[in-house]
Amino acid sequence: TQLLEQSPQFLSIQEGENLTVYCNSSSVFSSLQWYRQEPGEGPVLLVTVVTGGEVKKLKRLTFQFGDARKDSSLHITAAQPGDTGLYLCAGGDGGTSYGKLTFGQGTILTVHP
Amino acid sequence: GAVVSQHPSRVICKSGTSVKIECRSLDFQATTMFWYRQFPKQSLMLMATSNEGSKATYEQGVEKDKFLINHASLTLSTLTVTSAHPEDSSFYICSARPLGLNYGYTFGSGTRLTVV
Repeated sequence: TQLLEQSPQFLSIQEGENLTVYCNSSSVFSSLQWYRQEPGEGPVLLVTVVTGGEVKKLKRLTFQFGDARKDSSLHITAAQPGDTGLYLCAGGDGGTSYGKLTFGQGTILTVHP
Repeated sequence: GAVVSQHPSRVICKSGTSVKIECRSLDFQATTMFWYRQFPKQSLMLMATSNEGSKATYEQGVEKDKFLINHASLTLSTLTVTSAHPEDSSFYICSARPLGLNYGYTFGSGTRLTVV
């Protein structure tokens, strides 16, 4: 059984601060995806990383996939209240076809004005 | 593109009745769809994998007779919660993936089920 350990579980910060969320596993994943979810809605895909060591940037968000494809991180620079939400990492097990996703426990981020 | 529509968004039903939730891929075909359950402030828990034209694959601990899945076409999967009880109250979400590299999964907007 593949497991993804996501930390921290809760994060409460002030506007303008930086933060990092981590996802770690003892298993190798073919891909790693990050989602953001708001209450009462489905998760929305932020990024997919597939190559070990890959770094992707999405405005103030930086995503990194570990060299061994077992871990990933999400870094947010100068957080804003609009970044508030549940962040989920998910690992794919099906090669380029992704297959079933394994989700981390999620990080509830609250950014205070 | 890559939109998944889920309906209804909210439903309240009485104990003992059945509720059907629909998941449609609007602009792509999906041979596989996934059904998740989510409790407040928690992550998604995979319930089953819905396969077009064949039986669904259920995760360990999920009652297949209680959560009936039908995937009769390449754009529609349904989840029926049979003989619902208050403990079945939850947020149910479906997802599907458009074919092609670098496409993540697209999720429906979820269905809030309340059993009274």
